[in-house]
Amino acid sequence: EVQLVQSGAEVRKPGESLRISCKASGYTFTDYWIGWVRQRPGQGLEWVGIVYPGDSDSRYGPSFQGHVTVSVDKSISTAYLQWSSLRASDTAIYYCARHEGDGYSLDNWGQGTLVTVSS
Amino acid sequence: DIVMTQSPESLAVSLGERATISCKSSQSILYSSNNKNYLAWYQHKPGQPPKLLIHWASTRASGVPDRFSGSGSGTDFTLTIDSLQAEDVAVYYCHQYDNTPYTFGQGTKLEIK
Repeated sequence: EVQLVQSGAEVRKPGESLRISCKASGYTFTDYWIGWVRQRPGQGLEWVGIVYPGDSDSRYGPSFQGHVTVSVDKSISTAYLQWSSLRASDTAIYYCARHEGDGYSLDNWGQGTLVTVSS
Repeated sequence: DIVMTQSPESLAVSLGERATISCKSSQSILYSSNNKNYLAWYQHKPGQPPKLLIHWASTRASGVPDRFSGSGSGTDFTLTIDSLQAEDVAVYYCHQYDNTPYTFGQGTKLEIK
């Protein structure tokens, strides 16, 4: 059974750094792209970015380029989303999800990680 | 970037009736070499992660009831829910995976009338 288990809720102040994780199991981690999706309070889904664990190739949505970094640790089948300087506007639930095939639809999702950024 | 536009923003349908949601892309997401539309539909309920319903515009994901169906091609797509059940109350999103940055529609909130 494919499973994506995300790290727990985080509270940070503006300007602080943060890394959240997504541990995959039940499939060959290096064969599928992992995507990250944001949902701000009361808002819709936004595509953050994508990483291919096989070679760490990554792409970002225009609103996120330069502000977040997606990465992986193949040895522990875990993907990461990180910020070096958080903003209040980063407050949201962040989902990781596996892209089926060669970066297609999102067929398995993590439970979500709530990130709260507040002074 | 490809813009996905859903309509309506919200929809109220009686139990047992049909719900129809539209999604339009700003450019074609039909890949001519394989004749596939790079479009998915998701169901999102409060407190849960989104769930894949339909991929390739019209193929139901594993375990999805057959009252859910997808249609359309090129730039115009439709999600249809026949015989609406109470458990279908959710927000529904379309998603294009033809080109990065991948993009979602703004969502359609489905309620019971």
